[in-house]
Amino acid sequence: SQQGEEDPQALSIQEGENATMNCSYKTSINNLQWYRQNSGRGLVHLILIRSNEREKHSGRLRVTLDTSKKSSSLLITASRAADTASYFCATVLGTGGFKTIFGAGTRLFVKA
Amino acid sequence: DAGITQSPRHKVTETGTPVTLRCHQTENHRYMYWYRQDPGHGLRLIHYSYGVKDTDKGEVSDGYSVSRSKTEDFLLTLESATSSQTSVYFCAIKDNQETQYFGPGTRLLVL
Repeated sequence: SQQGEEDPQALSIQEGENATMNCSYKTSINNLQWYRQNSGRGLVHLILIRSNEREKHSGRLRVTLDTSKKSSSLLITASRAADTASYFCATVLGTGGFKTIFGAGTRLFVKA
Repeated sequence: DAGITQSPRHKVTETGTPVTLRCHQTENHRYMYWYRQDPGHGLRLIHYSYGVKDTDKGEVSDGYSVSRSKTEDFLLTLESATSSQTSVYFCAIKDNQETQYFGPGTRLLVL
C-alpha cells in the first residue's frame, strides 16, 4: 500500500469555496510535500513542510502537519477554476531524503 | 519549467523488445528519479540516482534498469518490454531544498 494516501479521492466544489485535502502516511518522515498535476502534464511542487513544523502558508495554500497522527492537510482558499487538477502528497523518508513516496492523489474539480 | 527534458515523449513498442527512455537535465543536480504513473496508483518510484554511477532501486524496479554515466543524463531501460509496463513515465530532479522538478513525461504503450 502507498506510504501516503490522500483523502478524498475526488472533490468537486464551486469557485470561491475552500478545498481541503488530507494525507496520511505510515512511517517517519523527513518532510512532506504537496504537488499539483494538471491533466497530461508533469507534477509541479507547491509547498514543503518539515517534520518539525506544524503549519505553513503560501499564497492561498495552507498546509498543516501532525506527526503524532501521521497526517497532513492542504487547504486551498477561495478556489478558482484554474485550481482544477490532481493534488499529491509526497513523503520524504529518513534523514537522507533519498526517496520520495507519492500518494495516489486527490482529483479536484472547481466549477466556475 | 526547470531544465529537464524527456525523450521520446511517446513510444509504441511490441512485447519483448528493449526500450530506453532518456532524461536530460541542465541544472547540474545530483539526484534524479524515474517514476511511473498509473491510474489509481499515483507515482511509483522505479529507480533513483544520487550521483554519477550511483543508483538504487525504488519500489517497482523489477524489469527496469538504469544508468547514469553523466550528471545530466539518466537512462531508464526496459530490457524486454511487457504489457504491464504500459504507463506514463516521469523523470524528476531534486534540488538542494528538497523540491523535485518533473519532466513532461513519456507515454509508453507496449502491445
